[in-house]
Amino acid sequence: DQQVKQNSPSLSVQEGRISILNCDYTNSMFDYFLWYKKYPAEGPTFLISISSIKDKNEDGRFTVFLNKSAKHLSLHIVPSQPGDSAVYFCAASAWGDDKIIFGKGTRLHILP
Amino acid sequence: DVKVTQSSRYLVKRTGEKVFLECVQDMDHENMFWYRQDPGLGLRLIYFSYDVKMKEKGDIPEGYSVSREKKERFSLILESASTNQTSMYLCASSLSGTGSYNEQFFGPGTRLTVL
Repeated sequence: DQQVKQNSPSLSVQEGRISILNCDYTNSMFDYFLWYKKYPAEGPTFLISISSIKDKNEDGRFTVFLNKSAKHLSLHIVPSQPGDSAVYFCAASAWGDDKIIFGKGTRLHILP
Repeated sequence: DVKVTQSSRYLVKRTGEKVFLECVQDMDHENMFWYRQDPGLGLRLIYFSYDVKMKEKGDIPEGYSVSREKKERFSLILESASTNQTSMYLCASSLSGTGSYNEQFFGPGTRLTVL
Protein backbone atom coordinates (compact mmCIF):
# COMPACT_ATOMS: atom_id res chain seq x y z
CA ASP A 1 0.00 0.00 0.00
CA GLN A 2 1.52 3.25 -1.16
CA GLN A 3 1.94 5.75 1.63
CA VAL A 4 3.29 8.48 -0.66
CA LYS A 5 1.59 8.90 -4.01
CA GLN A 6 2.61 10.88 -7.05
CA ASN A 7 -0.26 10.33 -9.42
CA SER A 8 1.26 12.02 -12.45
CA PRO A 9 4.05 9.92 -13.97
CA SER A 10 5.01 12.78 -16.25
CA LEU A 11 4.42 16.47 -16.82
CA SER A 12 5.37 18.80 -19.67
CA VAL A 13 5.68 22.55 -19.10
CA GLN A 14 6.76 25.40 -21.33
CA GLU A 15 10.02 27.07 -20.41
CA GLY A 16 9.36 30.17 -18.31
CA ARG A 17 6.00 28.93 -17.04
CA ILE A 18 5.16 27.49 -13.62
CA SER A 19 5.64 23.77 -12.99
CA ILE A 20 3.42 22.26 -10.30
CA LEU A 21 4.18 18.76 -9.07
CA ASN A 22 1.71 17.12 -6.71
CA CYS A 23 2.03 14.55 -3.98
CA ASP A 24 -0.45 12.90 -1.60
CA TYR A 25 0.23 10.88 1.52
CA THR A 26 -1.86 8.59 3.64
CA ASN A 27 0.08 8.16 6.88
CA SER A 28 -0.95 10.81 9.42
CA MET A 29 2.28 10.16 11.36
CA PHE A 30 4.31 11.81 8.61
CA ASP A 31 5.39 15.24 9.68
CA TYR A 32 8.36 16.00 7.47
CA PHE A 33 8.29 16.11 3.70
CA LEU A 34 11.06 16.34 1.15
CA TRP A 35 11.48 16.72 -2.57
CA TYR A 36 14.39 15.16 -4.43
CA LYS A 37 15.45 15.74 -8.00
CA LYS A 38 17.07 13.06 -10.11
CA TYR A 39 18.83 13.25 -13.46
CA PRO A 40 19.39 10.06 -15.51
CA ALA A 41 22.42 8.03 -14.41
CA GLU A 42 22.84 10.14 -11.27
CA GLY A 43 21.72 9.77 -7.68
CA PRO A 44 18.82 11.87 -6.34
CA THR A 45 19.73 15.21 -4.84
CA PHE A 46 17.82 16.93 -2.08
CA LEU A 47 15.85 19.94 -3.28
CA ILE A 48 13.62 21.33 -0.55
CA SER A 49 11.75 20.19 2.55
CA ILE A 50 8.94 21.28 4.83
CA SER A 51 7.90 20.29 8.31
CA SER A 52 4.29 19.97 9.33
CA ILE A 53 4.39 23.09 11.47
CA LYS A 54 4.59 25.15 8.29
CA ASP A 55 2.38 25.36 5.24
CA LYS A 56 4.91 26.89 2.90
CA ASN A 57 8.65 26.85 2.38
CA GLU A 58 10.44 28.80 -0.30
CA ASP A 59 13.95 28.51 -1.71
CA GLY A 60 14.64 30.60 -4.77
CA ARG A 61 12.53 29.36 -7.66
CA PHE A 62 11.23 26.42 -5.61
CA THR A 63 8.29 26.56 -3.21
CA VAL A 64 6.68 23.67 -1.41
CA PHE A 65 3.13 23.97 -0.09
CA LEU A 66 1.68 21.64 2.52
CA ASN A 67 -2.03 21.09 3.15
CA LYS A 68 -2.18 18.85 6.20
CA SER A 69 -5.92 18.48 6.29
CA ALA A 70 -5.90 17.19 2.71
CA LYS A 71 -2.65 15.26 3.21
CA HIS A 72 -1.36 16.93 0.10
CA LEU A 73 1.78 18.76 -0.86
CA SER A 74 2.94 20.41 -4.03
CA LEU A 75 6.19 21.70 -5.45
CA HIS A 76 6.08 24.88 -7.52
CA ILE A 77 8.93 25.82 -9.82
CA VAL A 78 8.82 29.38 -11.16
CA PRO A 79 10.02 30.11 -13.75
CA SER A 80 10.73 26.68 -15.19
CA GLN A 81 14.09 26.28 -16.87
CA PRO A 82 15.49 23.59 -19.20
CA GLY A 83 17.76 22.29 -16.42
CA ASP A 84 14.66 21.50 -14.39
CA SER A 85 13.89 18.56 -16.69
CA ALA A 86 14.35 15.59 -14.36
CA VAL A 87 12.45 13.10 -12.24
CA TYR A 88 11.12 14.57 -9.00
CA PHE A 89 10.51 12.34 -6.00
CA CYS A 90 8.25 13.34 -3.16
CA ALA A 91 9.21 11.77 0.18
CA ALA A 92 7.94 11.73 3.74
CA SER A 93 9.12 10.72 7.17
CA ALA A 94 8.08 10.91 10.79
CA TRP A 95 9.90 12.53 13.70
CA GLY A 96 12.73 10.31 14.89
CA ASP A 97 12.29 7.77 12.09
CA ASP A 98 15.44 7.25 10.07
CA LYS A 99 13.61 5.94 7.03
CA ILE A 100 12.12 8.09 4.31
CA ILE A 101 9.21 6.84 2.22
CA PHE A 102 9.45 7.84 -1.43
CA GLY A 103 6.78 8.27 -4.06
CA LYS A 104 7.20 6.77 -7.52
CA GLY A 105 8.33 10.04 -9.04
CA THR A 106 7.11 12.48 -11.68
CA ARG A 107 9.17 13.08 -14.83
CA LEU A 108 9.16 16.78 -15.65
CA HIS A 109 9.87 17.88 -19.22
CA ILE A 110 10.56 21.54 -19.80
CA LEU A 111 9.72 22.42 -23.38
CA PRO A 112 11.63 25.14 -25.26
CA ASP B 1 29.84 18.52 1.42
CA VAL B 2 28.67 14.99 2.05
CA LYS B 3 30.14 12.55 -0.35
CA VAL B 4 28.69 9.14 -1.00
CA THR B 5 30.59 7.03 -3.48
CA GLN B 6 29.68 3.74 -5.08
CA SER B 7 32.28 1.32 -6.36
CA SER B 8 30.98 1.02 -9.91
CA ARG B 9 28.78 3.13 -12.17
CA TYR B 10 28.00 0.27 -14.53
CA LEU B 11 28.22 -3.47 -13.94
CA VAL B 12 27.34 -6.45 -16.11
CA LYS B 13 27.07 -9.87 -14.48
CA ARG B 14 25.81 -13.29 -15.43
CA THR B 15 22.90 -15.15 -13.87
CA GLY B 16 24.01 -17.05 -10.78
CA GLU B 17 27.06 -14.91 -10.08
CA LYS B 18 27.66 -13.44 -6.63
CA VAL B 19 27.69 -9.66 -6.90
CA PHE B 20 29.09 -7.12 -4.46
CA LEU B 21 28.08 -3.46 -4.56
CA GLU B 22 30.12 -1.20 -2.33
CA CYS B 23 29.20 2.16 -0.88
CA VAL B 24 31.35 4.55 1.14
CA GLN B 25 30.37 7.80 2.85
CA ASP B 26 32.76 10.35 4.32
CA MET B 27 30.54 12.28 6.73
CA ASP B 28 30.47 9.91 9.71
CA HIS B 29 26.77 9.22 9.21
CA GLU B 30 25.19 6.56 11.37
CA ASN B 31 22.61 5.47 8.83
CA MET B 32 23.17 3.91 5.46
CA PHE B 33 20.62 2.63 2.96
CA TRP B 34 20.39 0.58 -0.21
CA TYR B 35 17.59 1.26 -2.69
CA ARG B 36 16.80 0.09 -6.15
CA GLN B 37 15.12 2.28 -8.70
CA ASP B 38 13.00 0.83 -11.47
CA PRO B 39 10.82 2.67 -14.01
CA GLY B 40 7.35 3.24 -12.65
CA LEU B 41 8.25 1.85 -9.24
CA GLY B 42 10.24 4.69 -7.76
CA LEU B 43 12.81 4.12 -5.03
CA ARG B 44 12.34 0.93 -3.04
CA LEU B 45 14.29 0.27 0.13
CA ILE B 46 16.22 -3.00 0.15
CA TYR B 47 18.13 -2.76 3.43
CA PHE B 48 18.95 -0.18 6.04
CA SER B 49 21.78 -0.06 8.57
CA TYR B 50 21.67 2.22 11.61
CA ASP B 51 25.05 1.27 13.05
CA VAL B 52 28.02 -0.96 12.45
CA LYS B 53 26.92 -4.58 12.18
CA MET B 54 23.29 -3.53 12.60
CA LYS B 55 20.80 -3.94 9.78
CA GLU B 56 17.13 -3.90 9.11
CA LYS B 57 15.18 -5.29 6.17
CA GLY B 58 13.49 -2.85 3.89
CA ASP B 59 10.56 -3.44 1.58
CA ILE B 60 12.27 -5.82 -0.88
CA PRO B 61 15.12 -7.71 0.86
CA GLU B 62 14.59 -11.04 -0.91
CA GLY B 63 17.65 -12.12 -2.87
CA TYR B 64 19.90 -9.58 -1.16
CA SER B 65 22.09 -9.40 1.91
CA VAL B 66 24.19 -6.60 3.37
CA SER B 67 27.33 -6.10 5.38
CA ARG B 68 28.44 -3.17 7.49
CA GLU B 69 31.76 -3.88 9.19
CA LYS B 70 32.87 -0.25 9.31
CA LYS B 71 30.81 2.87 9.85
CA GLU B 72 31.70 4.42 6.50
CA ARG B 73 31.11 1.36 4.35
CA PHE B 74 27.91 -0.50 3.47
CA SER B 75 27.92 -3.40 1.04
CA LEU B 76 25.02 -4.92 -0.84
CA ILE B 77 25.41 -8.55 -1.85
CA LEU B 78 23.43 -10.42 -4.46
CA GLU B 79 24.04 -14.02 -3.48
CA SER B 80 23.02 -15.44 -6.86
CA ALA B 81 22.19 -12.75 -9.37
CA SER B 82 19.03 -13.12 -11.40
CA THR B 83 17.75 -11.19 -14.41
CA ASN B 84 15.01 -9.56 -12.32
CA GLN B 85 17.73 -7.89 -10.29
CA THR B 86 18.74 -5.81 -13.29
CA SER B 87 18.22 -2.29 -11.95
CA MET B 88 19.74 0.98 -10.79
CA TYR B 89 21.08 0.56 -7.26
CA LEU B 90 21.37 3.63 -5.08
CA CYS B 91 23.17 3.98 -1.79
CA ALA B 92 22.37 6.76 0.67
CA SER B 93 23.47 7.92 4.10
CA SER B 94 22.09 10.16 6.81
CA LEU B 95 22.65 11.19 10.38
CA SER B 96 20.62 9.39 13.00
CA GLY B 97 17.06 10.68 13.05
CA THR B 98 16.65 10.56 16.80
CA GLY B 99 15.32 13.90 17.88
CA SER B 100 15.56 15.47 14.47
CA TYR B 101 14.83 15.20 10.79
CA ASN B 102 17.67 14.22 8.56
CA GLU B 103 17.78 14.16 4.82
CA GLN B 104 19.47 11.35 2.99
CA PHE B 105 22.44 11.93 0.73
CA PHE B 106 22.72 9.68 -2.28
CA GLY B 107 25.58 8.23 -4.25
CA PRO B 108 25.67 8.33 -8.08
CA GLY B 109 24.13 4.89 -8.45
CA THR B 110 25.25 1.60 -9.99
CA ARG B 111 23.47 0.42 -13.11
CA LEU B 112 23.56 -3.39 -12.82
CA THR B 113 22.66 -5.59 -15.75
CA VAL B 114 22.28 -9.33 -15.17
CA LEU B 115 22.43 -11.41 -18.33
